[in-house]
Amino acid sequence: SFVLTQPPSVSVAPGQTARISCGGDNIGSKSVHWYQQKPGQAPVLVVYGDTDRPSGLPERFSGSNSENTATLIITRVEDGDEADYYCQVWDVSADQDVLFGGGTKLTVL
Amino acid sequence: QVQLVQSGAEVKKPGASVKVSCMASGYTFISYYIHWVRQAPGQGLEWMGIFNPNGDDTDYAQKFQGRVTLTRDTSTRTVYMELSSLRSEDTALYYCARSGGNSNAFDYWGQGTLVTVSS
Repeated sequence: SFVLTQPPSVSVAPGQTARISCGGDNIGSKSVHWYQQKPGQAPVLVVYGDTDRPSGLPERFSGSNSENTATLIITRVEDGDEADYYCQVWDVSADQDVLFGGGTKLTVL
Repeated sequence: QVQLVQSGAEVKKPGASVKVSCMASGYTFISYYIHWVRQAPGQGLEWMGIFNPNGDDTDYAQKFQGRVTLTRDTSTRTVYMELSSLRSEDTALYYCARSGGNSNAFDYWGQGTLVTVSS
């Protein structure tokens, strides 16, 4: 079955660019969505359809997706961006329709 | 504005069942799917199943087949998730979320319902 692989953690200094990867077999053929989850809160959609941002989200959040890796890109990182980030795809397989990656903890140094 | 409001926390004994509700407002109820996603303490997100309010179609993750049931009450715009034969590993936050529109991403989430399974 399809598997999404994320690094457990990524650290970045304020003002720098964070890149969080999401690996999967030929994931470039799928539409990838990204969610931010802060402690004690429900997840929030930050990027959908590989590259698009929901209205109201800062332009600092963007994404890319090619071949076997999708990437969430956060430019000019701020303290408030510290959170867990999850990638997600739809994969109609024998097991389930929707898959989440294992999540990445973004730490702002 | 779009809102998904879930029922309150539950404490159940092993072997029991739990039924969590998700009341939708602020949009056309039958136009969007409702999903259930759970998160065990300190763990990631796990998709459980999908409900289509426009026709009552459902699909469940194989892991939960036979134990989870999704239903609705259209008059109250509420979708229910019932999980049976509870065990300690089912202790988790349970979220409902909406998908549909152009992207099929989960664009709105409920606040989460904590289900604790303990003897």
